[in-house]
Amino acid sequence: KAGVTQTPRYLIKTRGQQVTLSCSPISGHRSVSWYQQTPGQGLQFLFEYFSETQRNKGNFPGRFSGRQFSNSRSEMNVSTLELGDSALYLCASSPGGLHTTQYFGPGTRLLVL
Amino acid sequence: AQRVTQPEKLLSVFKGAPVELKCNYSYSGSPELFWYVQYSRQRLQLLLRHISRESIKGFTADLNKGETSFHLKKPFAQEEDSAMYYCALRDSGGSNYKLTFGKGTLLTVNP
Repeated sequence: KAGVTQTPRYLIKTRGQQVTLSCSPISGHRSVSWYQQTPGQGLQFLFEYFSETQRNKGNFPGRFSGRQFSNSRSEMNVSTLELGDSALYLCASSPGGLHTTQYFGPGTRLLVL
Repeated sequence: AQRVTQPEKLLSVFKGAPVELKCNYSYSGSPELFWYVQYSRQRLQLLLRHISRESIKGFTADLNKGETSFHLKKPFAQEEDSAMYYCALRDSGGSNYKLTFGKGTLLTVNP
């Protein structure tokens, strides 16, 4: 099976702009989670989607949003970008049910200037 | 609130020496603990989970609920074990898959 894929891999934006990141989970996986990774804060949970419903949300401002489509693909959006949003954004998928292992994508590196 | 602490940012050992990466957690519920590893230029991947009670690549980890720890151990380190290691926690009683990660420990195994 193909692994989790994320597009784009690299992105440069300026403050105030918005950005949309995409994640395609492993085929058959219904859960998709998003994490932000920075040198200072490490890996922080953003949100999780399961069957198109947001099941959990981390402590991030409302500028961070996401959604999941019927084919389990997910997007996250960050509006009104700030310099501090520069990070590696990781997506992870999981089959669901008792199988709780998460399989991570390569990440999208976002730089906000 | 759940919290995972990895006290060592960096750990350096020689090949063949035992290695122990420490992980302590704080959580009032029933936790599920994981170790994830990230080798250079590779994506984050699961190394092992406590409920499996398995040994992967010679690594083992035992959940100690009394000490709220989940230390990762290997008796004889290999150069290929050099990587970033993250301990993570999930609420096993919940239906969501949110992981809380520690800040990670960079393990370097010297020849």
